[in-house]
Amino acid sequence: GQQVMQIPQYQHVQEGEDFTTYCNSSTTLSNIQWYKQRPGGHPVFLIQLVKSGEVKKQKRLTFQFGEAKKNSSLHITATQTTDVGTYFCAVGGSYIPTFGRGTSLIVHP
Amino acid sequence: ETGVTQTPRHLVMGMTNKKSLKCEQHLGHNAMYWYKQSAKKPLELMFVYSLEERVENNSVPSRFSPECPNSSHLFLHLHTLQPEDSALYLCASSQTTGPRETQYFGPGTRLLVL
Repeated sequence: GQQVMQIPQYQHVQEGEDFTTYCNSSTTLSNIQWYKQRPGGHPVFLIQLVKSGEVKKQKRLTFQFGEAKKNSSLHITATQTTDVGTYFCAVGGSYIPTFGRGTSLIVHP
Repeated sequence: ETGVTQTPRHLVMGMTNKKSLKCEQHLGHNAMYWYKQSAKKPLELMFVYSLEERVENNSVPSRFSPECPNSSHLFLHLHTLQPEDSALYLCASSQTTGPRETQYFGPGTRLLVL
């Protein structure tokens, strides 16, 4: 299936700082999805990107799909303690989405 | 969120026990999945069912046996597990199978094998 590298694995930030996680693939992707898993919770779908260069926003979250459709980023502006969790990208394979390893965000108040 | 439910939420079992995990989705979806999530590994896809037929089995040991009696229910039967099988087992569903399908996850069953 599709392989995707997600970095960083962990990120510590002070509340109010920005945060970015990246997903990178060596092959062109048909689409990419982002999920969030709160500590002790389960993954919850955030958004899907399909078009080259696409940018979508959800309040303080900005999602971007690269022009070559080989990478994507999730940027959080002015993090809050409610942003704590693990953010996964999932890339479209031939059959079902393949999940990255996730980036765990820790926000220090 | 009650679209996908899982029972039990927590389970402790010995290596000689037999137990079953249950998943039910109330979303009218046609595809259901079992994932394993452990601390040191990413989400591992175990099984995929589409319209009650198993369409993918990712080299999962035979001590894990799935069952999908209808499109709303999915079971994972466990027997003679090993301590390394301790993990969070997540069920998910989607409208159909496909790379662009959104997956809706249940709360998971946290399994401890002693």
